[in-house]
Amino acid sequence: EVQLLESGGGLVQPGGSLRLSCAASGFTFSTYAVNWVRQAPGKGLEWVSTISGSGGNTYYADSVKGRFAISRDNSKNTLFLQMNSLRAEDTAVYYCAKGDPLTGTTLRNAFDIWGQGTMVTVSS
Amino acid sequence: AIRMTQSPSSFSASTGDRVTITCRASQNINSYLAWYQQKPGKAPKLLIYAASTLQSGVPSRFSGSGSGTDFTLTISCLQSEDFATYYCQQYYSYPPLFGPGTKVDIK
Repeated sequence: EVQLLESGGGLVQPGGSLRLSCAASGFTFSTYAVNWVRQAPGKGLEWVSTISGSGGNTYYADSVKGRFAISRDNSKNTLFLQMNSLRAEDTAVYYCAKGDPLTGTTLRNAFDIWGQGTMVTVSS
Repeated sequence: AIRMTQSPSSFSASTGDRVTITCRASQNINSYLAWYQQKPGKAPKLLIYAASTLQSGVPSRFSGSGSGTDFTLTISCLQSEDFATYYCQQYYSYPPLFGPGTKVDIK
């Protein structure tokens, strides 16, 4: 079964750091771009970041550029999101999502598999 | 960035109704448009990609149409399990932004 499982969320003070992980299983992880999408309480979906299958290409939303870093370890089938200088407005459920190149192209595609999400709360 | 708008933002409907949700892109995105369904406390689920292609396992009562800047999601006969929030997303260019969502609730 194709599956994504996030971990690492929690409560952190403003200005603090947190590292999220997303463990993938059931597919050849290294051949797919993967993404982080977040959802603030009661709000809509916000794309955060994308990384290509090799890790050589990364993309960020303006709201997190310079503060967040996406990476992956293909030997461990794991995606990461390093979040620094956290702000109250970063409070959200963070989802990892797999891109499906059959829906478009290798890096321009819809997100066909989603994890269950991990909650990040930034508060003093 | 290519901005996405949806209308309506919410509405009430009854089981058996035919419902249509509209999504508009601020620029031409060809057919690089996806629709997702999200239920409370759950992750989004891909329904349609490439504007009109049904994702595997999605019931045929869901359909999508459009290209360029104007798109629609139609549910031909609303079922109880379809009450949810629906989002469109463009993936023509980065950032792949989502629309604000359309909440469908029970009349």
